Amino acid sequence: GESVGLHLPTLSVQEGDNSIINCAYSNSASDYFIWYKQESGKGPQFIIDIRSNMDKRQGQRVTVLLNKTVKHLSLQIAATQPGDSAVYFCAADNQAGTALIFGKGTTLSVSS
Amino acid sequence: NAGVMQNPRHLVRRRGQEARLRCSPMKGHSHVYWYRQLPEEGLKFMVYLQKENIIDESGMPKERFSAEFPKEGPSILRIQQVVRGDSAAYFCASSPEQGQKTQYFGPGTRLLVL
Repeated sequence: GESVGLHLPTLSVQEGDNSIINCAYSNSASDYFIWYKQESGKGPQFIIDIRSNMDKRQGQRVTVLLNKTVKHLSLQIAATQPGDSAVYFCAADNQAGTALIFGKGTTLSVSS
Repeated sequence: NAGVMQNPRHLVRRRGQEARLRCSPMKGHSHVYWYRQLPEEGLKFMVYLQKENIIDESGMPKERFSAEFPKEGPSILRIQQVVRGDSAAYFCASSPEQGQKTQYFGPGTRLLVL
């Protein structure tokens, strides 16, 4: 079946460092990818998304890179801040385009 | 501009009771999705609805679970005869129209079955 997985369950960084969170997906037909941030007790919060016709997209302090050849995407957070501490999920659309398939999440811990 | 709203935020039920979870999509959104999240896990898709129509229910358990999105009012996820394994966080998301794939999530309903 279709799956999305994250490479590392946890990532610890110092404040000010750049963070990179990686994700792999299985369905080469996936057309849409999205990153969410989830803080404890809250719902997933949209960070950034990218379609398969692009390989890079930038937002404020965040960049998503998509490598369709190896079915890999990454989220880069520049100048990580303590407020960035959360669980980060990548997701890809399913073959029917009717749902998002989520990975398990990477817990980012930022220390001052 | 209110986001996706869900209520109740917390729900406690005893085994065998019914649970009703409500979701109001963002203003202008006509597509609703329900997901379930177990502790330490990612979200698992359950069902995708448009007004008065179920589009994809491939993630819904075959028994005890049902969902609706009536012409008026919120979307409802209904779980009959709850069991302890139903304890989870249930999230609703909405998107504006087909082709707009970004889904915006609500705060979730945390269901605890005693």
